[in-house]
Amino acid sequence: GAVVSQHPSWVICKSGTSVKIECRSLDFQATTMFWYRQFPKQSLMLMATSNEGSKATYEQGVEKDKFLINHASLTLSTLTVTSAHPEDSSFYICSASGGGATGELFFGEGSRLTVL
Amino acid sequence: DQQVKQNSPSLSVQEGRISILNCDYTNSMFDYFLWYKKYPAEGPTFLISISSIKDKNEDGRFTVFLNKSAKHLSLHIVPSQPGDSAVYFCAASSMNRDDKIIFGKGTRLHILP
Repeated sequence: GAVVSQHPSWVICKSGTSVKIECRSLDFQATTMFWYRQFPKQSLMLMATSNEGSKATYEQGVEKDKFLINHASLTLSTLTVTSAHPEDSSFYICSASGGGATGELFFGEGSRLTVL
Repeated sequence: DQQVKQNSPSLSVQEGRISILNCDYTNSMFDYFLWYKKYPAEGPTFLISISSIKDKNEDGRFTVFLNKSAKHLSLHIVPSQPGDSAVYFCAASSMNRDDKIIFGKGTRLHILP
């Protein structure tokens, strides 16, 4: 089955630094990738939708300049948390879709960010 | 190894009948379970959840049942409606450990007219 890989699976950084998280579709071309943040009670908040070769569409309330999303190829999307602060500490999860009417979506294993 | 398994990739149910979507998990540390619904070209949306202290949670037409001994949960939709046609994802986590959500691969539900 399709696999979506996230890297790193966990990262610890100092406040004020930037962190990049990669999301790769390993055996299919992902026309669309979604980025989520996990909140308490394991609820997922959709942060943005990225389509290959175009700018990401951010959900209301998500700072575009803080959470930079790049979907440069059909197999890779990156989320960069710029000038991270402790309140940005969370799990970040990506999912990837092959597009079309099937609506199939495959989730990455998540990346845990801890900002000191 | 998959920790959350949805063994049926697809399911077809007649409109008005009951839809039952199944999910199995392997990690006994999981204590919180969720179901998400996804339409084509959209991100998944939260549907219903259940904590391991319960064995049933109901919300309108949707009921989730949890069988801890069997490490099995199911989502019942009754009566099924055309708008229920979507992909349903089962997910599990460990709230006490503040751990990440693990998703199953999804089951496509098709409601037949």
